[in-house]
Amino acid sequence: NAGVTQTPKFQVLKTGQSMTLQCAQDMNHNSMYWYRQDPGMGLRLIYYSASEGTTDKGEVPNGYNVSRLNKREFSLRLESAAPSQTSVYFCASSEIGGETQYFGPGTRLLVL
Amino acid sequence: QKEVEQNSGPLSVPEGAIASLNCTYSDRGSQSFFWYRQYSGKSPELIMFIYSNGDKEDGRFTAQLNKASQYVSLLIRDSQPSDSATYLCAGGGAGNNRKLIWGLGTSLAVNP
Repeated sequence: NAGVTQTPKFQVLKTGQSMTLQCAQDMNHNSMYWYRQDPGMGLRLIYYSASEGTTDKGEVPNGYNVSRLNKREFSLRLESAAPSQTSVYFCASSEIGGETQYFGPGTRLLVL
Repeated sequence: QKEVEQNSGPLSVPEGAIASLNCTYSDRGSQSFFWYRQYSGKSPELIMFIYSNGDKEDGRFTAQLNKASQYVSLLIRDSQPSDSATYLCAGGGAGNNRKLIWGLGTSLAVNP
């Protein structure tokens, strides 16, 4: 069991470039989440998917889009990256009816 | 605004001592509480969760919940240098659609 995997581990972008962060889980979990973590700001929810086929905004969705490709995969897209999106991005998942979240290793994104 | 508050620390304890980490929450509807540990540069990992008033023990860790006072704590007995990390408290509940409300974390340093 790999748990939750994320790619890439690290990325440098120029302002205005786009990219997609990939997340996959092999635990047969229903719900998946994207967070960003910045110093002094804690974990902030960007988007989440309660189940396959549904997505909802979290507290900081501006500048991001998501796709729940299937039950395993949940991707996060930055259409036009900005320096304010420099952060560490974590994907997490939780099982049906459960709240315990399991995190991937994170993607460190630097936008110049 | 639903909030979970933690003292940012750093909390410094000598090796072998008991470390006490505290968390308060504002949403009386929260039913469950989680403690995660996050080492520098790594992702959060679950230590334990608690749903019922009182104490829950798991090895060197004890979580305590007092719903009347809206207070959650984590005690680490026989603290080791390897316990040095940031500890995140999170609250969940039926009203949050399985989303967790995260505190900003408390930094713990265990000194040899």
